[in-house]
Amino acid sequence: DGGITQSPKYLFRKEGQNVTLSCEQNLNHDAMYWYRQDPGQGLRLIYYSQIVNDFQKGDIAEGYSVSREKKESFPLTVTSAQKNPTAFYLCASSMVGGSDEQYFGPGTRLTVT
Amino acid sequence: ILNVEQSPQSLHVQEGDSTNFTCSFPSSNFYALHWYRWETAKSPEALFVMTLNGDEKKKGRISATLNTKEGYSYLYIKGSQPEDSATYLCASCTGQTGANNLFFGTGTRLTVIP
Repeated sequence: DGGITQSPKYLFRKEGQNVTLSCEQNLNHDAMYWYRQDPGQGLRLIYYSQIVNDFQKGDIAEGYSVSREKKESFPLTVTSAQKNPTAFYLCASSMVGGSDEQYFGPGTRLTVT
Repeated sequence: ILNVEQSPQSLHVQEGDSTNFTCSFPSSNFYALHWYRWETAKSPEALFVMTLNGDEKKKGRISATLNTKEGYSYLYIKGSQPEDSATYLCASCTGQTGANNLFFGTGTRLTVIP
């Protein structure tokens, strides 16, 4: 089955700890994205990558880091510098064009206490 | 950051009713308009991507229209069914490369009452 997987579904961390969220796709898409959802807000772009070994900051990149060493994988690290990390995180992938639909993973809910 | 607005925020309809909701976006620098359906505990799924003014797309009982000159899109659901209950997201894309210029609205949450 083609698709995007994210793990884990729920993640709990203590404040001050870095945590890495996994995202894998087997759709052969060049572009991958990380979004964050908070109550009452639209999906906001954290980071995106259009090709292996290259990635760009989105609108809310502060306190996050990513890597794109393989086409299939785009892990997101939430660092201790992120002021309000508790949120729902969605990974997506697509072909690169603006009229290409994005395919989303099931999401990871991160709770930091 | 682009201001994409959706209305209403939430909607309750009876099974069998038809309904529609709105997505408003800035008409300048428009490239494409995306609609996604997001059911609870599932991943968002693409419904439509539209690029041309006057475009109308249909998938089963769901259809969408696009007015790029005035900056709005309507999503229509005919004869709503309980399985249509979901949050419907729209997103406006301002560039040929979708990577960093797809801006989402906050969604319309639809509940269809059996």
